[in-house]
Amino acid sequence: TQLLEQSPQFLSIQEGENLTVYCNSSSVFSSLQWYRQEPGEGPVLLVTVVTGGEVKKLKRLTFQFGDARKDSSLHITAAQPGDTGLYLCAGGDNYGQNFVFGPGTRLSVLP
Amino acid sequence: EAQVTQNPRYLITVTGKKLTVTCSQNMNHEYMSWYRQDPGLGLRQIYYSMNVEVTDKGDVPEGYKVSRKEKRNFPLILESPSPNQTSLYFCASSSSRGREYEQYFGPGTRLTVT
Repeated sequence: TQLLEQSPQFLSIQEGENLTVYCNSSSVFSSLQWYRQEPGEGPVLLVTVVTGGEVKKLKRLTFQFGDARKDSSLHITAAQPGDTGLYLCAGGDNYGQNFVFGPGTRLSVLP
Repeated sequence: EAQVTQNPRYLITVTGKKLTVTCSQNMNHEYMSWYRQDPGLGLRQIYYSMNVEVTDKGDVPEGYKVSRKEKRNFPLILESPSPNQTSLYFCASSSSRGREYEQYFGPGTRLTVT
């Protein structure tokens, strides 16, 4: 069974700080996705990375896929209260049907 | 508006009483999945479907059934619910752009089995 670990589990920071959360596995994935989930709602896809070493930027968020396609990181610059939520990573197989999710990093950005 | 809908959003039931959670998507996606989310365990895939009449087990299929008679609908059936199926359930559908499968989630169904 493929497993994904995320660290840290919880993170509480002040507005304006930078942060990085990590997603690690001993397995290789065809793709890696990051989601944000807010209370009472379903996860919302932020980005998909498919190539080892790939870096994608989405405004203040930078996502990187490890060279070996086993790990990923999400870096947020100048965090804002609107970034608060549960951040989930998910590893996908070649066919895009079987996704394995990590347990999530719960981020709280205080004003 | 592109969306995945689930009904009901909240359900409290008793052990052994059959129930169905409906899921519908309006994006003409081939792939659909059901997940359950439990504290500390993240999202775990229950069943998925590649297309009409094609379904397969995910990581935690025991106690659940699904069907895919139409492309847009993917109901989740609990024939005899038990308390350990108390959870938050999500339906998802996905399209593919090359290898970048975009997965869209429904709003969730919170199920309590007493």
